[in-house]
Amino acid sequence: NAGVTQTPKFQVLKTGQSMTLQCAQDMNHEYMSWYRQDPGMGLRLIHYSVGAGITDQGEVPNGYNVSRSTTEDFPLRLLSAAPSQTSVYFCASTPTSGSYNEQFFGPGTRLTVL
Amino acid sequence: AQKITQTQPGMFVQEKEAVTLDCTYDTSDQSYGLFWYKQPSSGEMIFLIYQGSYDEQNATEGRYSLNFQKARKSANLVISASQLGDSAMYFCAMIYYFGNEKLTFGTGTRLTIIP
Repeated sequence: NAGVTQTPKFQVLKTGQSMTLQCAQDMNHEYMSWYRQDPGMGLRLIHYSVGAGITDQGEVPNGYNVSRSTTEDFPLRLLSAAPSQTSVYFCASTPTSGSYNEQFFGPGTRLTVL
Repeated sequence: AQKITQTQPGMFVQEKEAVTLDCTYDTSDQSYGLFWYKQPSSGEMIFLIYQGSYDEQNATEGRYSLNFQKARKSANLVISASQLGDSAMYFCAMIYYFGNEKLTFGTGTRLTIIP
């Protein structure tokens, strides 16, 4: 298994540009989520999905869209990039809810918005 | 709302000594879990240890143990016999079960092991 994969690893955008951060997992996990990591603030939840076709907002959803058309993929879209979205983005997945399960993290995408 | 507090932004520890990283949490929920993750300079998030709110025994994983004091709402990570490779950021996180599996993270502690 490849686990959780994220592409790209690095990205530089100009203010106002849009892009999609890709996340995929091959473990048939139901739950997937996106976090952003800013210096001194830990990881904060952006959006999450409890299964294909179901998404919901996390703590900091503004400026981001997600969709979950398949179990494997959970892309994160930046609609109009802003410098405040400069961050490291992590995708994570876990098999089920209601019991202990390790959250598997992808390697992260480092995004810079100029 | 859940909240995780890590009060030690940075720590320096001599190699081979034990180290305790503090974590306190605030929740009114009864069913929750507590995680510790390590983030080395390479950036990936590495799962270290987990403690469930109903677990009576403190969790242990090799050199890592979790000192869980439920009444005090603390979940400190203890690393025994520290090694140079333990230098990293360490994050405490909480999950509320039956609440969509959302992880709430603390701000982290940067641990530096001195040879």
